[in-house]
Amino acid sequence: DTGVSQDPRHKITKRGQNVTFRCDPISEHNRLYWYRQTLGQGPEFLTYFQNEAQLEKSRLLSDRFSAERPKGSFSTLEIQRTEQGDSAMYLCASSYLAGVVETQYFGPGTRLLVL
Amino acid sequence: AQSVAQPEDQVNVAEGNPLTVKCTYSVSGNPYLFWYVQYPNRGLQFLLKYITGDNLVKGSYGFEAEFNKSQTSFHLKKPSALVSDSALYFCAVRFNQGGKLIFGQGTELSVKP
Repeated sequence: DTGVSQDPRHKITKRGQNVTFRCDPISEHNRLYWYRQTLGQGPEFLTYFQNEAQLEKSRLLSDRFSAERPKGSFSTLEIQRTEQGDSAMYLCASSYLAGVVETQYFGPGTRLLVL
Repeated sequence: AQSVAQPEDQVNVAEGNPLTVKCTYSVSGNPYLFWYVQYPNRGLQFLLKYITGDNLVKGSYGFEAEFNKSQTSFHLKKPSALVSDSALYFCAVRFNQGGKLIFGQGTELSVKP
C-alpha cells in the first residue's frame, strides 16, 4: 500500500493561466475525493467520484474547475483562468466503499500559489 | 444546517498530562464522526472514527474519542500527551447521503516538554 500520491506538490502560476493536478489513489479504492484547504481553515469538499462517475460537485466548484477520473483510476483537477483566490492546498483522498461508511485516506496535497 | 465546530483554536498541554480536543456537531440523522491529524505541509492522517456501537472509540497513537449523543459532541482524548503529538487536529462529520466529509476549522495542539 503506497498511499495516495499527488503531483505536483507545489505549483506557482500567474493569474489567468491554466493548471492541472493529478491524484493517484490507493490501489483498488473505488472512491476518490477532492478538497481545498486554505490557511487556517479545515478542508472543504469540492467533488468526488465513484469509479469513473462524478457523483457530487460542491457549489464551490465554479465553471473554471473541472475534474475527471477516466477509467476509474487516477484523477485530474483542472483550473482554468486561475485567480488569486484559487491559491490554496488541494487535497485528494481515496476510499474503498464496502459497507456503511468508509475511511478516506488523504494524499500530501498540491499547494497552489497564483501570482 | 449540518456543521462541525471546534471551539478552541489552540490547546496547550504539558508533556505527560492528559489532553482533550473538543468537537461538537449539528446534524439531522445519524452522524458518522472522524478525527484527522495534520502535520506541517502534510496531508491529513486518519486517527479514528465513530459509526455506531460503543461510545468510546480507540484509534491510532493512543488516541481515543467519546461520542456523546445528548451533547452532540465527539471529543478527542489521550491520557498522556507527547511532544510529538503537537499538530493540527480536525474533526469531521459525514452524513447518511453521499461520501463527503465536513470538517471543523481545526485545533492546534501544542505539547510542551
